[in-house]
Formats: sequence, C-alpha cells, structure tokens
Amino acid sequence: QVPLQQWGAGLLKPSETLSLTCAVSGGSLSGYYWSWIRQPPGKGLEWIGEVVHSGSANYNPSLQSRVTMSVDTSKNHFSLTLTSVTAADTAMYYCARGVWEPKDWGQGTLVTVSS
Amino acid sequence: QAVLTQPSSLSASPGASASLTCTLRSDINVRTYRIYWYQQKSGSPPQYLLRYNSDSDKQQGSGVPSRFSGSKDASANAGILLISGLQSEDEADYYCLIWHSRTWVFGGGTKLTVL
Repeated sequence: QVPLQQWGAGLLKPSETLSLTCAVSGGSLSGYYWSWIRQPPGKGLEWIGEVVHSGSANYNPSLQSRVTMSVDTSKNHFSLTLTSVTAADTAMYYCARGVWEPKDWGQGTLVTVSS
Repeated sequence: QAVLTQPSSLSASPGASASLTCTLRSDINVRTYRIYWYQQKSGSPPQYLLRYNSDSDKQQGSGVPSRFSGSKDASANAGILLISGLQSEDEADYYCLIWHSRTWVFGGGTKLTVL
C-alpha cells in the first residue's frame, strides 16, 4: 500500500480559498486516478473529483464551479483548490488513489471554515 | 431521490451475519453497475473492502477477510454486503459506491453495531 501524505491549511474564513496537497511516497502518479473526497463532521462521504497524471480532471458537478485539481509530476504531488469557501465546506478532506475506484486513502485533513 | 440509499443503522449479535443493503434509484439498474464497499471505523479514513458486479467479476480488497462478501438482489435493485461471523471489530460505518454519470456516488452509509 502506497502511503499518501496530505497537508494544507486547517482553518479558513468564509470566502477564502482552500488549498490541500497530497504526496505519494514510493510510487509515481502515472497509471492511477487521484481523488479528493470529503466528509462533513458526523456525515457521509462526498466525492469532489479526480485528476490523472496528464492533468486531466473530472469534478463533481455540484462543486465544479469552485474546484480545481492539478498534479506536479516532478514532486509526485497532486493538489486541490476550492474557492469561496463557506461553513458548508467544513469537513475532513481525504486524498485517495486508485486504478479506477478510490482504493488507498490518506489520513485526512480537517478543514474548518469559520469567521 | 438519492442515487444510492443505505439504511442508517443496523444491529447484529457477535457470531451472527449482517446483510447491508445499498439500493439504487429506480431509474438505474443494479445489473449494470459494479458496487464498491468501504468500511470506516471511528476516527479513521475509509478502507476499501471489495467490489462486486457478478460472481465472475468481483474483487476482494487486500487483506480483507473472506467473511466479507458482496452480492446483488436484482428484484430489490440493490447491492448487498454480507458480513458473516460478526466480530466486535466489525462495528463501523459502511459505505457503498458506484460510478454513475461520470461521477463517483457514495451511499449515505450504514452504522453497524455489534452487540
């Protein structure tokens, strides 16, 4: 199992931009789908989107207008940007890897949006 | 109506079997979908359990015990996760997942209590 390490700012104010990065240890970005999934406190999972090695991305239509995902192949990183956050974006954010379905997950980053 | 519906909770006794259902919205046919299952224990990221489409198209997650198995009930338009020989460590939230309309869609999750 390839460890995924993720990081980013954990406390944001409304209207700010969420930015998270996930690093792949011991493997490359090639040949996989790299996903971001979130989970509000006490609630279920929501798929945000996925990106591949080439940089091509596919987003959840409900978030598409605010989401950008990218890859940095030189650093074996992939990133999530979510603009104009509100309290509704407060959640644990997970990065995940899979040849198709998300299979290996990061430990998660708790992002809280509060004024 | 949600794409995937799971009962919010289920209780079962140690040693018994538990059948967790994931019902697809009536306009989409379970026969044409691979169903993925995840287990999430408190404070941890979800862990991939298995994929089920048919008896000839299924995959067990790495290290997942064989007492976790998948099936479908076409008459109910549902995917099923069967856990046999329940153990206290099986107490967790369970999520189903499908690929639908170019997005990953999670069910709302079932909280399984073993008591």
